Amino acid sequence: GAVVSQHPSRVICKSGTSVKIECRSLDFQATTMFWYRQFPKQSLMLMATSNEGSKATYEQGVEKDKFLINHASLTLSTLTVTSAHPEDSSFYICSAPGGRSSYNSPLHFGNGTRLTVT
Amino acid sequence: DAKTTQPTSMDCAEGRAANLPCNHSTISGNEYVYWYRQIHSQGPQYIIHGLKNNETNEMASLIITEDRKSSTLILPHATLRDTAVYYCIVRVAMNRDDKIIFGKGTRLHILP
Repeated sequence: GAVVSQHPSRVICKSGTSVKIECRSLDFQATTMFWYRQFPKQSLMLMATSNEGSKATYEQGVEKDKFLINHASLTLSTLTVTSAHPEDSSFYICSAPGGRSSYNSPLHFGNGTRLTVT
Repeated sequence: DAKTTQPTSMDCAEGRAANLPCNHSTISGNEYVYWYRQIHSQGPQYIIHGLKNNETNEMASLIITEDRKSSTLILPHATLRDTAVYYCIVRVAMNRDDKIIFGKGTRLHILP
């Protein structure tokens, strides 16, 4: 079945540095990918919609200059957390809709990236 | 905002059926009901979805009321590995580009 691969699964970085997270659709093409953030004991919060070949669409309150999204190809989207601070520590999850199957095929999620900023 | 409401948490004894309710009173005629679960520190996992008929797969059954305003996810023989947060989502189709908003979900505890 369709799989979304997310890398790295865990990253620890120092305050002020930047971190890049990759999201790949392994056996299907995704013109759109979604990036979520999740704090402990909370639900997934949509950060932005990544669009292949065009600019990402950010949700209200999400800083586009801090969370840089690049959808370079039909199978790869990246999220870069720039000048990371401890409050950016969170669980970041990407997802991609569809696959080879039907109109209402499920949304596929990566396994998430645990970011810790020290 | 999420279009669904779910109980915050539920307990179920191991080996028994776990029945998780979801209210979606404003569901549109072309919206499906999707269920996902999230085990701690993992990405959400697809479980099942349906439009108006009841559905069953190897993981669970989905019962949708006739008026489609609510549904129930049934895990027929719960195991400890089913402990997770379960999310009910209504949506026209998951492979559209429309954004997907998660509610708070139900935290299911399977008790040994």
